Amino acid sequence: DTGVSQDPRHKITKRGQNVTFRCDPISEHNRLYWYRQTLGQGPEFLTYFQNEAQLEKSRLLSDRFSAERPKGSFSTLEIQRTEQGDSAMYLCASSPYTYEQYFGPGTRLTVT
Amino acid sequence: DAKTTQPTSMDCAEGRAANLPCNHSTISGNEYVYWYRQIHSQGPQYIIHGLKNNETNEMASLIITEDRKSSTLILPHATLRDTAVYYCIVRVTGNQFYFGTGTSLTVIP
Repeated sequence: DTGVSQDPRHKITKRGQNVTFRCDPISEHNRLYWYRQTLGQGPEFLTYFQNEAQLEKSRLLSDRFSAERPKGSFSTLEIQRTEQGDSAMYLCASSPYTYEQYFGPGTRLTVT
Repeated sequence: DAKTTQPTSMDCAEGRAANLPCNHSTISGNEYVYWYRQIHSQGPQYIIHGLKNNETNEMASLIITEDRKSSTLILPHATLRDTAVYYCIVRVTGNQFYFGTGTSLTVIP
């Protein structure tokens, strides 16, 4: 399968713990996006990479969130000191162009 | 910021055309409208995009009004597999896109 993959698919953690998610984009895609989606809402933009450079971050993104894309390939999203409000689906997408993003299956985070 | 407004839900009979409207009155003159859909428990999937003229591909047609304040996505012959949430998306700034809450389309046998 050559689509976007995300790991883990599900994560349950206790409030206050740190979590890290991984996204493997489609090879040759230089653009990578992270989104957060809560129940009944559409995906909400978190951050954007072009190659290894993080070019944009949502102004709503807490300082507890950090993302990296070393070497311009896979990306990680870390949430420090998780809160119950962080419970959501975290989606990664990659793209060779602006108009067509290829989404992964997402990582569902539950903070207890 | 650019935003979109869509009906919360719609039904369509199998085999009939599904017409999904979207209002995007705040869209900038040179920005595209994008449509994606999300089938339950999957990531969103690209459908089509357009600027001014009507567009058609193997999945759907996109009709954009002349003033560009609204558009309609048309699925010409809806099937049960088209049941999904459909998002009309505009760019907010840079590479940030606004998805909104979408329209939940149910195709009825």
